[in-house]
Amino acid sequence: QSALTQPASVSGSPGQSITISCTGTSSDVGGYNYVSWYQQHPGKAPRLLIYDVSNRPSGVSDRFSGSKSGNTASLTISGLQAEDEADYYCSSYTSSSTRVFGGGTKVTVL
Amino acid sequence: EVQLLESGGGLAQPGGSLRLSCAASGFTFSTFAMSWVRQAPGKGLEWVSGISVTGGSTFYADSVKGRFTISRDNSKNTVYLQMNSLRAEDTALYYCAKRALEGPTLGGGGFDYWGQGTLVTVSS
Repeated sequence: QSALTQPASVSGSPGQSITISCTGTSSDVGGYNYVSWYQQHPGKAPRLLIYDVSNRPSGVSDRFSGSKSGNTASLTISGLQAEDEADYYCSSYTSSSTRVFGGGTKVTVL
Repeated sequence: EVQLLESGGGLAQPGGSLRLSCAASGFTFSTFAMSWVRQAPGKGLEWVSGISVTGGSTFYADSVKGRFTISRDNSKNTVYLQMNSLRAEDTALYYCAKRALEGPTLGGGGFDYWGQGTLVTVSS
């Protein structure tokens, strides 16, 4: 159950688009369309942004979008805003019927 | 309004035990799988354990398998995590999380509601 691989940090200017990658294996990301993405502000509980690769829960801005190709999933934040500065985590269902998270990506709005 | 309220955290000695509880309200508890997720101080999220809607299927991360036991009482809308043989590396904020989609399995849907967490500290 190795953690999924995410870049430690990504930054962008207000209004720009950024993409966070999440790389796993054929036993998790590549094997199922069950990748989810979470946003976490300091001292707060995580918030679900994307589930099942590309689905947004109600109330989540359409500036957040998800995709997957092979063993790598991606989260794109378009029209970057100051409030998007936070930690972002990907997660995947696995062949062992467990879940695994990525190491997290700190997004900085310049 | 969906609410998840964790309790039972605290200070435990290495080798000791704690039992965490998560009281749920605002949704039909018995139709959603539940999980525990932890976060060590200054670190990332780690999925710990999950349980199916009936409690008949349980799953664990390798790091806790054989030491932790997840269970649920649908009559009390509560999920539990019994933690035995605690180690220093189990020190973390433990979150209870609700699967976003109804159904008998754990796959898919992500976790759409989280509690505020209960802090477990393992130290002598």
